[in-house]
Amino acid sequence: GAGVSQSPRYKVAKRGQDVALRCDPISGHVSLFWYQQALGQGPEFLTYFQNEAQLDKSGLPSDRFFAERPEGSVSTLKIQRTQQEDSAVYLCASSLHGLSSYNEQFFGPGTRLTVL
Amino acid sequence: QKEVEQNSGPLSVPEGAIASLNCTYSDRVSQSFFWYRQYSGKSPELIMSIYSNGDKEDGRFTAQLNKASQYVSLLIRDSQPSDSATYLCAVNRDGTASKLTFGTGTRLQVTL
Repeated sequence: GAGVSQSPRYKVAKRGQDVALRCDPISGHVSLFWYQQALGQGPEFLTYFQNEAQLDKSGLPSDRFFAERPEGSVSTLKIQRTQQEDSAVYLCASSLHGLSSYNEQFFGPGTRLTVL
Repeated sequence: QKEVEQNSGPLSVPEGAIASLNCTYSDRVSQSFFWYRQYSGKSPELIMSIYSNGDKEDGRFTAQLNKASQYVSLLIRDSQPSDSATYLCAVNRDGTASKLTFGTGTRLQVTL
């Protein structure tokens, strides 16, 4: 079976541009997570969806960051007016169940965003 | 104090030896614990999960959890050069918030 897929794999943006990053979770997985990983650091939580509901967006660093999952499958993370500090790898993960701590998360390959 | 702490390494072990990776966490209500392996330029890959005190073995990997000491470890037996990677410890706080909190990772180098 296919794993989590993300596109594009690499994105270069000029400062001030808007970008959209896509995540396609494992089929049937209820939960979807976005993380941001800076070089040499562990992933940092951004936001979480259970089906189409965004249940936690406490990790989004500013109101320039917006995520959606309108039909409960594919998700898009949008960053408006990109800044250099947004340069990072954006990871998407999915898990089978909903609200549960016994819930393994599987990561996609990530999108490496570079803001010039 | 960071929520999840790991020694950044590098931890260097010879081929065939046991590699021991350690992680401490600060939140006593944490319920589930995960080890991910991340090769350079790749995304994290889940290798172990552990939810209760004690040991859990899977092939060459053993995860150990001690909730009283807020300590979780990963042992890799018969280390191979292909085990050279960064190992990330991740913690899930409780049943109402499934987000993971990660440590910064320990870089493991297995030498020939």
